[in-house]
Amino acid sequence: EVQLVESGGGLVKPGGSLRLSCAASGFTFSSYSMNWVRQAPGKGLEWVSSISSSSSYIYYADSVKGRFTISRDNAKNSLYLQMNSLRAEDTAVYYCARRTVTSQYFDLWGRGTLVTVSS
Amino acid sequence: QSALTQPASVSGSPGQSITISCTGTSSDVGGYNYVSWYQQHPGKAPKLMIYDVSNRPSGVSNRFSGSKSGNTASLTISGLQAEDEADYYCSSYTSSSTFYVFGTGTKVTVL
Repeated sequence: EVQLVESGGGLVKPGGSLRLSCAASGFTFSSYSMNWVRQAPGKGLEWVSSISSSSSYIYYADSVKGRFTISRDNAKNSLYLQMNSLRAEDTAVYYCARRTVTSQYFDLWGRGTLVTVSS
Repeated sequence: QSALTQPASVSGSPGQSITISCTGTSSDVGGYNYVSWYQQHPGKAPKLMIYDVSNRPSGVSNRFSGSKSGNTASLTISGLQAEDEADYYCSSYTSSSTFYVFGTGTKVTVL
């Protein structure tokens, strides 16, 4: 089955760190650019970060630049998001999303993992 | 980079048609044919409904259609059904450092 499964969310104090993972299955993971998209409680979607298939190109939203690091391990079919210096406003459900090869849209999403930043 | 502007809510009766607008700028919606639309039911992941302005993925009902004029894209749902009640988000590739921008979201209510 083609799917993405996120893990690693939880409760963390402001200033703390957390590492999210996304396990891919059912498709050739190494052929796709991957993304993290988040959604704060009751709010809309916000693109967070993108990594190309070979990790050659990496991009971040201004809101997380310098604090978050995206990475991938194609041998393990896995995507990661290292989040440091977390703030209350980083509280959100974090989705892993696959970008289609031929265009600029997200054709496969995981169910998400909740990150709560609170003291 | 600001979010694309969508109406907060749109409603319609079963069988009717509704249209959701998505307004951006020449740096995103107006500059590229990379507008996509996502449906999200409560507590669920977003689901792709329209890509590249007007294309439907396999498995998505032909009651959903997309278009674009200038800096505004639109999603039309015809023959509205109870199962269409959800939040809808537009998205666009952007030439800004943000790369991708989403809309503010529209809650569709089936009366």
